[in-house]
Amino acid sequence: EVRLLESGGGLVQPGGSLRLSCAASGFTFSNYAMSWVRLTPGKGLEWVSSITDGGGSTFYADSVRGRFTISRDNSKNTVFLQMSSLRAEDTAVYYCAKRDLVSSIWYYFDHWGQGNLVTVSS
Amino acid sequence: QSALTQPPSASGSPGQSVTISCTGTSSDVGSYKYVSWYQQLPGKAPKLMIYDVTKRPSGVPDRFSGSKSGNTASLTVSGLQAEDEADYYCSSYAGSNNLVFGGGTRLTVL
Repeated sequence: EVRLLESGGGLVQPGGSLRLSCAASGFTFSNYAMSWVRLTPGKGLEWVSSITDGGGSTFYADSVRGRFTISRDNSKNTVFLQMSSLRAEDTAVYYCAKRDLVSSIWYYFDHWGQGNLVTVSS
Repeated sequence: QSALTQPPSASGSPGQSVTISCTGTSSDVGSYKYVSWYQQLPGKAPKLMIYDVTKRPSGVPDRFSGSKSGNTASLTVSGLQAEDEADYYCSSYAGSNNLVFGGGTRLTVL
């Protein structure tokens, strides 16, 4: 059974930093691209970032490019999202997600974590 | 990366059909077959319902169907059931490894 377990969320002040982790199990982690998607009350779902299976390529939404960094450790079956220069509008539930198929088409998400709340507020 | 446009709400009675639209541009929905739809129940993670415009993942009832015309994609739910009440989001590949979602539609079963 595929399992994705996010951790690292919480309350942070504007301008601060936070690192999210997503521990994966139930599949061969190194074969799959991984992504982060967030849910905000006002905007709904928003794709944040993705990383290819080997970690050689990373992709970002314009809203987070230059502030967030996605990475992965295939030896620990974990994907990370380092968030810096956080803003109030980054407040959201952050999900890690993956496709069911091994494919270069990473744009679909069959499996999701339970979500992790990040609140940016003073 | 502008969000796709969805109606904020939709509704129908049990047994009826309802269609939710998702309007993008020639840079996203209009250019790619990579359109998908997600169902999100309160407090739950999203669930993939449709991908590649019209395909259903295993386990998704055939009451759910997708289509696309020009820059607008649509999700149709036929034979509405109480458990279909949820938020629905469309998504489209937008080129250059960008992905865009719609603002979401709250479907109410009357």
